[in-house]
Amino acid sequence: EAQVTQNPRYLITVTGKKLTVTCSQNMNHEYMSWYRQDPGLGLRQIYYSMNVEVTDKGDVPEGYKVSRKEKRNFPLILESPSPNQTSLYFCASSLIGEGGYTFGSGTRLTVV
Amino acid sequence: EDQVTQSPEALRLQEGESSSLNCSYTVSGLRGLFWYRQDPGKGPEFLFTLYSAGEEKEKERLKATLTKKESFLHITAPKPEDSATYLCAVQAGDDKIIFGKGTRLHILP
Repeated sequence: EAQVTQNPRYLITVTGKKLTVTCSQNMNHEYMSWYRQDPGLGLRQIYYSMNVEVTDKGDVPEGYKVSRKEKRNFPLILESPSPNQTSLYFCASSLIGEGGYTFGSGTRLTVV
Repeated sequence: EDQVTQSPEALRLQEGESSSLNCSYTVSGLRGLFWYRQDPGKGPEFLFTLYSAGEEKEKERLKATLTKKESFLHITAPKPEDSATYLCAVQAGDDKIIFGKGTRLHILP
């Protein structure tokens, strides 16, 4: 089944403790992206990647890192999480030029 | 500044009562406009891509249209299972994708 898999689904952590949210897709998509979704603010792009070893900042990249060492994987790294990073995070992928993301199921992160 | 605005924020309809959702945008070099459906607690589900003014796409009770400044998602004779948040997004010339805040649609049986 074609899908984007995020892990974990839920995560509660403490301020400053480094964490990684994994994202993997099995559709050979070139384009991958991370979003956060907050009430009243909608979906905001954190980082995106057009292909392996190519990443670019979205609208809210501060406090986040990404890497794209393999085409299928695009992990999101929070080196020193803070409470304002408490949010619902989505990974998404698509073919370049085809439009239309496939989204993962989301990761609900709480930083206390 | 690239921007996407959706209206209304929320809409309640009776089953069978047709209506339209609006997505207005300002973007440099539109490469595509997308509609998604999102159910509570789930990731958005892709519905349509529109690329140029005048283009239309249909899927069951949904029809999306595009002009140079806005897009409409028309819902014909909706059913309760059409209740969801509908998101509009645009892809700009720099490949960034910007989402609107969505319209929460509730269809009453």
